[in-house]
Amino acid sequence: DTAVSQTPKYLVTQMGNDKSIKCEQNLGHDTMYWYKQDSKKFLKIMFSYNNKELIINETVPNRFSPKSPDKAHLNLHINSLELGDSAVYFCASSPSDNSNQPQHFGDGTRLSIL
Amino acid sequence: KQEVTQIPAALSVPEGENLVLNCSFTDSAIYNLQWFRQDPGKGLTSLLLIQSSQREQTSGRLNASLDKSSGRSTLYIAASQPGDSATYLCAVRDDYKLSFGAGTTVTVRA
Repeated sequence: DTAVSQTPKYLVTQMGNDKSIKCEQNLGHDTMYWYKQDSKKFLKIMFSYNNKELIINETVPNRFSPKSPDKAHLNLHINSLELGDSAVYFCASSPSDNSNQPQHFGDGTRLSIL
Repeated sequence: KQEVTQIPAALSVPEGENLVLNCSFTDSAIYNLQWFRQDPGKGLTSLLLIQSSQREQTSGRLNASLDKSSGRSTLYIAASQPGDSATYLCAVRDDYKLSFGAGTTVTVRA
């Protein structure tokens, strides 16, 4: 039973392409997140959605566009990929945006830009 | 801006030894502090969450302390086992987001 699942697990593509990463959670949570983990292993929040509404947009280039068709899904579309976009992208969810609840993470999508 | 630092960056110990992992943060106005474990090629698993009003949390062989006023937390892992080998991440929660440290990579030698 995968609680937070992301697809694809690996993504290798050329600079300038457009790609999407999908995330689904089966925990019944209201809040979902996208994080980026760079080569130095720092995890940084990118976006957060609560009940399909954007609540955090952490100064991410507008080439990145999250979409939440329902509260169980939060997809990430990236336009005009750049070399610096190479990273591991993690999706996470929590019961709500209440600060005192732990977040549950997916296994990550490893994006490599050639 | 919150900054989270974890020392050491890497640690190698023989099996059975106790582990001590340190985390410090610059802004003490936090709601909670969480410790996560990350295995290679995997996501993060939440280990312990300490509320800002608490001093420590325990789960099995794991114990985490929090000193909010000095901006520090310590994760203790008793009687380490090879299966404890992983990267341990500390994260602090302020009004709206988690801020992570870069992690401590632990190797427990059999």
